[in-house]
Amino acid sequence: DSGVTQTPKHLITATGQRVTLRCSPRSGDLSVYWYQQSLDQGLQFLIQYYNGEERAKGNILERFSAQQFPDLHSELNLSSLELGDSALYFCASSSRTSGITDTQYFGPGTRLTVL
Amino acid sequence: AQSVTQLGSHVSVSEGALVLLRCNYSSSVPPYLFWYVQYPNQGLQLLLKYTSAATLVKGINGFEAEFKKSETSFHLTKPSAHMSDAAEYFCAVSRFGNEKLTFGTGTRLTIIP
Repeated sequence: DSGVTQTPKHLITATGQRVTLRCSPRSGDLSVYWYQQSLDQGLQFLIQYYNGEERAKGNILERFSAQQFPDLHSELNLSSLELGDSALYFCASSSRTSGITDTQYFGPGTRLTVL
Repeated sequence: AQSVTQLGSHVSVSEGALVLLRCNYSSSVPPYLFWYVQYPNQGLQLLLKYTSAATLVKGINGFEAEFKKSETSFHLTKPSAHMSDAAEYFCAVSRFGNEKLTFGTGTRLTIIP
């Protein structure tokens, strides 16, 4: 158990809908990262937050957004869903001390299926 | 830009045999390198990481990797494969540990009894 929790574990929805994925980082970790794992794109970085502020952005679609709240949990919002958004979405956390040798610890993921 | 290439999307070894999973990196700056393992229907678990402290890195479950700058490689090895090692293995690179990870395409390891 990495200490990172993600809910829900599975999500099945229809095209055009909007969903919210939730992540609670390890106790004390300030950074949260979101990654997408799909069969055709592999594991891709989406976005990073550090202590409530957006720190880095990757290949995140405009239909997707994220935020990190004062209690450090994070949410990834996916809207106008398409079939191609079906994937496993991982959250990771790190940076209790913001050190350059930090390790990212991954949650169990949320499997999103868009029908 | 940084990237990693994992050679071999599928590797099969016999139980008790040497495990060798290959990873080559490309980076314009000294990289931080990682190996993660993903068991079926689970998240990613860190096996080991290289952060320039030592070129031979020992990880969990008997795995180790050696950073070779001249070969731009960071191959993962284990002397004797166990059935429980069957999983998908990902090599990843970042500029620093607290920055985004760029993953390879993964290698699925099968252990033959």
